[in-house]
Amino acid sequence: RKEVEQDPGPFNVPEGATVAFNCTYSNSASQSFFWYRQDCRKEPKLLMSVYSSGNEDGRFTAQLNRASQYISLLIRDSELSDSATYLCVVNGNTDKLIFGTGTRLQVFP
Amino acid sequence: DARVTQTPRHKVTEMGQEVTMRCQPILGHNTVFWYRQTMMQGLELLAYFRNRAPLDDSGMPKDRFSAEMPDATLATLKIQPSEPRDSAVYFCASVGASSYEQYFGPGTRLTVT
Repeated sequence: RKEVEQDPGPFNVPEGATVAFNCTYSNSASQSFFWYRQDCRKEPKLLMSVYSSGNEDGRFTAQLNRASQYISLLIRDSELSDSATYLCVVNGNTDKLIFGTGTRLQVFP
Repeated sequence: DARVTQTPRHKVTEMGQEVTMRCQPILGHNTVFWYRQTMMQGLELLAYFRNRAPLDDSGMPKDRFSAEMPDATLATLKIQPSEPRDSAVYFCASVGASSYEQYFGPGTRLTVT
């Protein structure tokens, strides 16, 4: 079983739609959680950290469920520029980050 | 605008040749990571350094790969001899002290024929 699992997609949604991605992780000792965004043929960039109480950044909402060991990302009012691959990232009690293989989102007009 | 730089951006080479990839971390960042990304495997951690000392290289094929940090401004990843299965994008990332956010370089796209 992979340490971080994501649905690879693609998720094809129209502009303005709400879309949600989930991710599960296997290491219950994981301490920190993140969503990174990767555009085609570019490097990954931090989108947002995920806090236990849930957090929001504009149109993006991230939530963590430690009991079930999953993380979610919700994007509201999706825009064409949101088209990218979203990487779920988890770290344990070391410096290492474990990346999921990503969920591809395509927003169409 | 501080950023991680990597050279070369693209490399095409023949099987058996040596490949050296270089990374300049953000000034002041003390932890440097090397990753490999393929469509099938996603991002895999190869090795990482803190304050130039190697902390973990368990993700790296030891027989052909080597990683070093000759100084705080340069990290290198070497493959000798290269094989077609090494074809991938190799990313370097750096992190400052007391932070988890990794800043990635633009990557080196390696093709081994």
